Amino acid sequence: NAGVTQTPKFRVLKTGQSMTLLCAQDMNHEYMYWYRQDPGMGLRLIHYSVGEGTTAKGEVPDGYNVSRLKKQNFLLGLESAAPSQTSVYFCASSYPERGETEAFFGQGTRLTVV
Amino acid sequence: GESVGLHLPTLSVQEGDNSIINCAYSNSASDYFIWYKQESGKGPQFIIDIRSNMDKRQGQRVTVLLNKTVKHLSLQIAATQPGDSAVYFCAENLPNFNKFYFGSGTKLNVKP
Repeated sequence: NAGVTQTPKFRVLKTGQSMTLLCAQDMNHEYMYWYRQDPGMGLRLIHYSVGEGTTAKGEVPDGYNVSRLKKQNFLLGLESAAPSQTSVYFCASSYPERGETEAFFGQGTRLTVV
Repeated sequence: GESVGLHLPTLSVQEGDNSIINCAYSNSASDYFIWYKQESGKGPQFIIDIRSNMDKRQGQRVTVLLNKTVKHLSLQIAATQPGDSAVYFCAENLPNFNKFYFGSGTKLNVKP
């Protein structure tokens, strides 16, 4: 099993451009999350989903949108990128109802907005 | 709560010594805690977890201690090895939400 896979791994955007980050998991997990990690800081929750077709805001949702059309995929969109969105983005999934409470993380997407 | 800090606290230990990494969590209602290890350029990796009805849990070379009175977690690594060099994060989870809130992390540097 691949676990949690994020694409792309790296991306440079110009201010105002849009893009979508894709997260895919093959563990049949219900819950999926998007975090951002800035230098010297912990991970901050952007948005999350507790099942197909559902999304909810986390700690820092502004400037981002998400969609969970399929259970295995969780997309993070930036409509108009800003330099403040330069960060490393991590996707994670978990399945607490099945006892898999810990979150499994992808390898990250390093985004630079210039 | 919001993480603050541009500089990660760093713990330097000699290879073979024991390491203790501390974490203060913010919400007294949190009922589940995890320690993650993050190596450079990689995503966080699960190490060990503990539920709030316990005060100690042991794994292979690692022990997590939970003090709910002062909202404090610690991760003890026995016989620290160079491969343990990484940033370690604690994460707390509120009941019925399954959202993880992360601390700012501690960098462990193991000297050979």
